[in-house]
Amino acid sequence: ILNVEQSPQSLHVQEGDSTNFTCSFPSSNFYALHWYRWETAKSPEALFVMTLNGDEKKKGRISATLNTKEGYSYLYIKGSQPEDSATYLCAFNVQSSNDYKLSFGAGTTVTVRA
Amino acid sequence: EPEVTQTPSHQVTQMGQEVILRCVPISNHLYFYWYRQILGQKVEFLVSFYNNEISEKSEIFDDQFSVERPDGSNFTLKIRSTKLEDSAMYFCASSAFETQYFGPGTRLLVL
Repeated sequence: ILNVEQSPQSLHVQEGDSTNFTCSFPSSNFYALHWYRWETAKSPEALFVMTLNGDEKKKGRISATLNTKEGYSYLYIKGSQPEDSATYLCAFNVQSSNDYKLSFGAGTTVTVRA
Repeated sequence: EPEVTQTPSHQVTQMGQEVILRCVPISNHLYFYWYRQILGQKVEFLVSFYNNEISEKSEIFDDQFSVERPDGSNFTLKIRSTKLEDSAMYFCASSAFETQYFGPGTRLLVL
């Protein structure tokens, strides 16, 4: 079982403020790190997949960084808006010849207050 | 934009009954997965399917579980004799490579 940890479990952010949270994962046999955005009653939405140490990805006001040597990734939300309220899941692939199965963290639930 | 669909959205069943959860993956994808999330816990991997056979399964995926791709478009998860602890949200996902696209889930409640 691969242990993927996310911190904090939840956070409340004032509209307009920026925030960030972390995902830690085993650094051995690394293949890829994924971030998903999950709103209640909807499908988890793929935000980023990162494979290289030092990778930085950006989608609008959301960005992510990756450090494979120390086994962590940060997700940043700049200028939070109420529509950013969701649970953000990180998930981890190991190198495998079979498939791309994911090991998930427990998620960080973000609530943006207007 | 193509999406993964799942039916039903909710299912309530009695302990010991069989349930079949259905998924329609994205049409040109080759890898298919089932995950589940028990309330308050992490999303956990159940099984992956490639080239018409199971490529990997977790410890959870015991003889009570089976998967099938009966007609080239649907991907089903069958639980033969449900237990109370099978109550969870079940997610189907599909991928061409490493990015997996998830369906909205089926919430299964076993009474």
